[in-house]
Amino acid sequence: AQSVTQPDIHITVSEGASLELRCNYSYGATPYLFWYVQSPGQGLQLLLKYFSGDTLVQGIKGFEAEFKRSQSSFNLRKPSVHWSDAAEYFCAVVLYNFNKFYFGSGTKLNVKP
Amino acid sequence: DTGVSQDPRHKITKRGQNVTFRCDPISEHNRLYWYRQTLGQGPEFLTYFQNEAQLEKSRLLSDRFSAERPKGSFSTLEIQRTEQGDSAMYLCASSLVAGKYNEQFFGPGTRLTVL
Repeated sequence: AQSVTQPDIHITVSEGASLELRCNYSYGATPYLFWYVQSPGQGLQLLLKYFSGDTLVQGIKGFEAEFKRSQSSFNLRKPSVHWSDAAEYFCAVVLYNFNKFYFGSGTKLNVKP
Repeated sequence: DTGVSQDPRHKITKRGQNVTFRCDPISEHNRLYWYRQTLGQGPEFLTYFQNEAQLEKSRLLSDRFSAERPKGSFSTLEIQRTEQGDSAMYLCASSLVAGKYNEQFFGPGTRLTVL
């Protein structure tokens, strides 16, 4: 079955510390991959996306993600977290026909001062 | 340039009542999508339109749900005889299908609470 897995439901990091949020997908072919961020009561904001080419992609707000085909993973990273990064993060995949997104269940990030 | 807008942002209703939500996509976007997001979960696909044609519906979209996009611009999602299990955030997204890539832009959502 097709699925997107975010194994960490909650993560707490100290401000200034590095961050890595995990995402694994299970599909027959390499899908297009996305990370979105959602603040409480808000819609989804696109952080970055991977379609093809360089497997390390840069996004907004200092985020980056690395696609690893062998591990079916697309982990999100940030070298130094800011208090304003506290939010919920969703990994999503879209198949080649772009008809719909499949989302993971999200990782809620708390940032300690 | 305005993004995707949704109205209302919040709706509280009693079980058994009908509710209707509206989504206004980004101008010129020909695809419009509806998703549902329950607490602690990621959004789940409900349905999508290309222009005014509804091309796919999820199994999640029961008979009580109906979506329209009559002129290929705004869309409405109606839920009849609401149940407590319908309480969720309903998200709309739009995209322009042009070439290979088709990025979806999301609205702020309508949060439905069924009492």
